[in-house]
Amino acid sequence: AQTVTQSQPEMSVQEAETVTLSCTYDTSESNYYLFWYKQPPSRQMILVIRQEAYKQQNATENRFSVNFQKAAKSFSLKISDSQLGDTAMYFCALDSGGGADGLTFGKGTHLIIQP
Amino acid sequence: EPEVTQTPSHQVTQMGQEVILRCVPISNHLYFYWYRQILGQKVEFLVSFYNNEISEKSEIFDDQFSVERPDGSNFTLKIRSTKLEDSAMYFCASREEEWEFGYTFGSGTRLTVV
Repeated sequence: AQTVTQSQPEMSVQEAETVTLSCTYDTSESNYYLFWYKQPPSRQMILVIRQEAYKQQNATENRFSVNFQKAAKSFSLKISDSQLGDTAMYFCALDSGGGADGLTFGKGTHLIIQP
Repeated sequence: EPEVTQTPSHQVTQMGQEVILRCVPISNHLYFYWYRQILGQKVEFLVSFYNNEISEKSEIFDDQFSVERPDGSNFTLKIRSTKLEDSAMYFCASREEEWEFGYTFGSGTRLTVV
């Protein structure tokens, strides 16, 4: 069985600061995908960034980047120049079943950006 | 940008009643999913659907639940004889054949069982 662990239930930073959210995972598959989803108070699930396991280069999307350490099974999300609109729940998710059994989510980290 | 559409956004139902949650996936997507998120908890996989049949289902997806793709566009989740603990946010998601593009989620249906 695959698992995803997010060890930070809540984090709070000042606007414009950089923040890193942690995620570790476990899977026996050699090929898999990792995702970070953002869930604002509206509760919609919004894809932030994705990483393919066979790619060594860390994914980046504007202010969002990941630090993917495959050997350590670690997949952290870095948000640079944080903005008030980044306040949300952030979920790390793993897809290692070829899509048949969907995504396995972590419990989430509630990120609060203070003005 | 294409969206996954879910209706209704909020449904209140009496315990014991049947509810049908509706989803319109993105038109060229081939894989469809239902997830559940009980308030304050993580998102849980319920079922995946491909080629007009269930691909996988979790242990949560028991005989109380069923899914259907009645036409070329809609994808429904039926919950029979609802219980208080079925109160949750239900998300539909879809994805393309190519695995790498990830999943697109709908905005969810908040189900409240009273």
